[in-house]
Amino acid sequence: AQKITQTQPGMFVQEKEAVTLDCTYDTSDQSYGLFWYKQPSSGEMIFLIYQGSYDEQNATEGRYSLNFQKARKSANLVISASQLGDSAMYFCAILRVQGGSEKLVFGKGTKLTVNP
Amino acid sequence: DAGVIQSPRHEVTEMGQEVTLRCKPISGHNSLFWYRQTMMRGLELLIYFNNNVPIDDSGMPEDRFSAKMPNASFSTLKIQPSEPRDSAVYFCASSPLTGNTGELFFGEGSRLTVL
Repeated sequence: AQKITQTQPGMFVQEKEAVTLDCTYDTSDQSYGLFWYKQPSSGEMIFLIYQGSYDEQNATEGRYSLNFQKARKSANLVISASQLGDSAMYFCAILRVQGGSEKLVFGKGTKLTVNP
Repeated sequence: DAGVIQSPRHEVTEMGQEVTLRCKPISGHNSLFWYRQTMMRGLELLIYFNNNVPIDDSGMPEDRFSAKMPNASFSTLKIQPSEPRDSAVYFCASSPLTGNTGELFFGEGSRLTVL
């Protein structure tokens, strides 16, 4: 079974600084996908970034980048130039695709606080 | 385009009552997921459907929980009888089938409080 581990329950960063949120995963699948979602205090889940297991280049989306190290089974999220609006819970997730169906398993999340 | 629509947004009920949560996925999406979020357990996948067929319900806590998807545009999650430990935010999400990034599109959640 897949497992996602986020070891940082909470992180603090100064506005305009960069921050790295850790994520490690465990899977026996050859093909899988890794996601990061943001959940602000309002509760909705917002998709941030995706990395396929066969993608050789790290995914980037604006200020978000995913530091994918396949051999170490890690998929850390890097947020550059933090903004106050980045304060939220961040969830790492792994997607398993099998037999035409897909299943996303989430980690416990990291609460990021951006200080002014 | 409308996103995933869940109702009710908030529900407060007494222990023992039946609770029905509803979800309308994004039109054209083939997969639908029900998640439960609590402080203790985080986000847990309860059940997911592919083309209206339940694929994996191993996350459903117990027989008090049931989910249906009678057609491509509607799903329900029912708890009968409800208990205080069922208090959580229940999310519905939908996704087009593989061929894309597999991104899930979440609804805004239904916050359930069982007294």
